[in-house]
Amino acid sequence: GENVEQHPSTLSVQEGDSAVIKCTYSDSASNYFPWYKQELGKGPQLIIDIRSNVGEKKDQRIAVTLNKTAKHFSLHITETQPEDSAVYFCAASGGYQKVTFGTGTKLQVIP
Amino acid sequence: DGGITQSPKYLFRKEGQNVTLSCEQNLNHDAMYWYRQDPGQGLRLIYYSQIVNDFQKGDIAEGYSVSREKKESFPLTVTSAQKNPTAFYLCASNRDHSNQPQHFGDGTRLSIL
Repeated sequence: GENVEQHPSTLSVQEGDSAVIKCTYSDSASNYFPWYKQELGKGPQLIIDIRSNVGEKKDQRIAVTLNKTAKHFSLHITETQPEDSAVYFCAASGGYQKVTFGTGTKLQVIP
Repeated sequence: DGGITQSPKYLFRKEGQNVTLSCEQNLNHDAMYWYRQDPGQGLRLIYYSQIVNDFQKGDIAEGYSVSREKKESFPLTVTSAQKNPTAFYLCASNRDHSNQPQHFGDGTRLSIL
C-alpha cells in the first residue's frame, strides 16, 4: 500500500519568514495530493491540493509543488503569520483508493 | 451552513462498555470515513462507506463497528474488544470517494475511566 513520510515533525519560524514542509510517497499510482491544516481541538481543513498533471499550484501565501519523478511534494508558506501556527498534514491517494496521511508537522510562528 | 457534526466532543468509557460516536453530515456526500488520531501517528482509517448500507474496513477496524442506514449518518461504535480506545476520533466525508477533498468534523475525544 501507499506510504507517506512527512518532515519535519516540528518547525519554528519567525513571523514573516517562509516555512517549507516536505512529503514523499511510495505508490507511483497516486495522483491526488491534498494538504490539511489542523488547529487545536478541531478537525483538519483542506488548505490546498494538487493533482499529478500539475507541477505547482499557488493560493495567496500558500503554494504546493509536486515532483512525480522523485515522488515528493512540498508545502510552502510565505510571509508567515501567528495564525499560521497549527499542525499540517500532507496526504496522497490514487483513483478510488483510500487516502494515506503523513504524520503531521507542528508549525509554530514566533511573533 | 453545510458541514459535519460530531458528538459528543468528549466521551468517557468504563472498562467493558461499548460507546457510540455520532457523525452527521448535511453536505449530501455519498462517502463517509472514520479516522483515529494518536500523537505522532497522523490519521489512521478505521472504516469507510461509499454508499448507504455498505461499508468497508480500513487499516485498524478491529474493536470497532459502524452502520450506514442513512446517507447523512455514519455512527461508530467502540466496542469492549478495543483494548486501547483512548484517542481523538475524526469523521469525514467527500462527494464520491474519488480524488476529492475530505471535509472533517471537529472530532470526539474518547477517554477511559
